[in-house]
Amino acid sequence: DSGVTQTPKHLITATGQRVTLRCSPRSGDLSVYWYQQSLDQGLQFLIQYYNGEERAKGNILERFSAQQFPDLHSELNLSSLELGDSALYFCASSVDGGSTDTQYFGPGTRLTVL
Amino acid sequence: LAKTTQPISMDSYEGQEVNITCSHNNIATNDYITWYQQFPSQGPRFIIQGYKTKVTNEVASLFIPADRKSSTLSLPRVSLSDTAVYYCLVGPLPFSGGYNKLIFGAGTRLAVHP
Repeated sequence: DSGVTQTPKHLITATGQRVTLRCSPRSGDLSVYWYQQSLDQGLQFLIQYYNGEERAKGNILERFSAQQFPDLHSELNLSSLELGDSALYFCASSVDGGSTDTQYFGPGTRLTVL
Repeated sequence: LAKTTQPISMDSYEGQEVNITCSHNNIATNDYITWYQQFPSQGPRFIIQGYKTKVTNEVASLFIPADRKSSTLSLPRVSLSDTAVYYCLVGPLPFSGGYNKLIFGAGTRLAVHP
């Protein structure tokens, strides 16, 4: 158990819909990262937050957005969903987001778009 | 971008030492090399990180030659529970404008046999 929690564990929805994935970092961690893992794309970095502010952006689509709240939990919002958005979405957290910081990954949310 | 190349799969037997090599010919001066382990339907787990020469922890060793164009993860005396996918990750220092270029490699599927 990494100490990072993600909800829900599974999510099934239809194309065109909007969903919200939630992540609670480990106690004391200030930085949160979101990743997408699909069969054909591997593990892709989406976005990083540090203490409520966006710090780095990866291959995140414009239909996706995220935020980190004052209590440090984070939400990833996916809208206008397409079949290709079906994937495992992982959240990770680290102490301060430094390059030598260990990232602790949550169990993931499996999103299925039908 | 420091793209990484790893063998797609490897096989080994219990008790043997396993070496997984990752090529990163375009590694930048401020890039670190990190290895993660991932079991099916679980989030990746940090194994080891280094910048140059050799790093060792209780789980593995990481060998990085002087030119840093490759790195080798060494797992001593593997067991069946080491069967997993191993990712080589090369990334720059954070907040330098380059962190959004974080890229996971395709991963190496290690199968440990009795």
